[in-house]
Amino acid sequence: SQTIHQWPATLVQPVGSPLSLECTVEGTSNPNLYWYRQAAGRGLQLLFYSVGIGQISSEVPQNLSASRPQDRQFILSSKKLLLSDSGFYLCAWSVLGYWASDTQYFGPGTRLTVL
Amino acid sequence: GDSVTQMEGPVTLSEEAFLTINCTYTATGYPSLFWYVQYPGEGLQLLLKATKADDKGSNKGFEATYRKETTSFHLEKGSVQVSDSAVYFCALDTGRRALTFGSGTRLQVQP
Repeated sequence: SQTIHQWPATLVQPVGSPLSLECTVEGTSNPNLYWYRQAAGRGLQLLFYSVGIGQISSEVPQNLSASRPQDRQFILSSKKLLLSDSGFYLCAWSVLGYWASDTQYFGPGTRLTVL
Repeated sequence: GDSVTQMEGPVTLSEEAFLTINCTYTATGYPSLFWYVQYPGEGLQLLLKATKADDKGSNKGFEATYRKETTSFHLEKGSVQVSDSAVYFCALDTGRRALTFGSGTRLQVQP
């Protein structure tokens, strides 16, 4: 069966520090991968998605970036964190089959607090 | 553009009460519709889905029917439990590789 991992689970970082969040998927090949952010008390905002190695689409311009160095690895990064980057970051995967409806499966999330 | 509108919460119910969480959508084409649930401190879990008009998705006692004429996908459960307390998200997929989520509805079930 497929599983998705995220780490770290929680992170407290000072403003201006760098960031690296990692997501890995097991049990599937060539998944679509996604990064979402959920601000406190709000819905989900799609940040990035990737349909293959090295292929990244950005939905919202900001100081975050994403990379996909391997088929089942997705990394969210920042060179300098802002206070507004605080939130709950969720990674998700899907496999778009011929008849599929692109159901997305989510990881446990990383709670980031920028101080 | 595509959008999902959910009723604002929190929704507070007593155990064994009937639950309805409203969801309406705006989309071009024929989207698939989803309900996700997020328990405190956790990621999102797929609760149910429907891929075409008049389909009924169901899971764990929850149901939702895809109503194209009213562009709705309301979530219902006949008898809620304390363990159902969570945030519920309605979402749609129009085949453009990303889901569009509603803002979420918090459900609080009191014993």
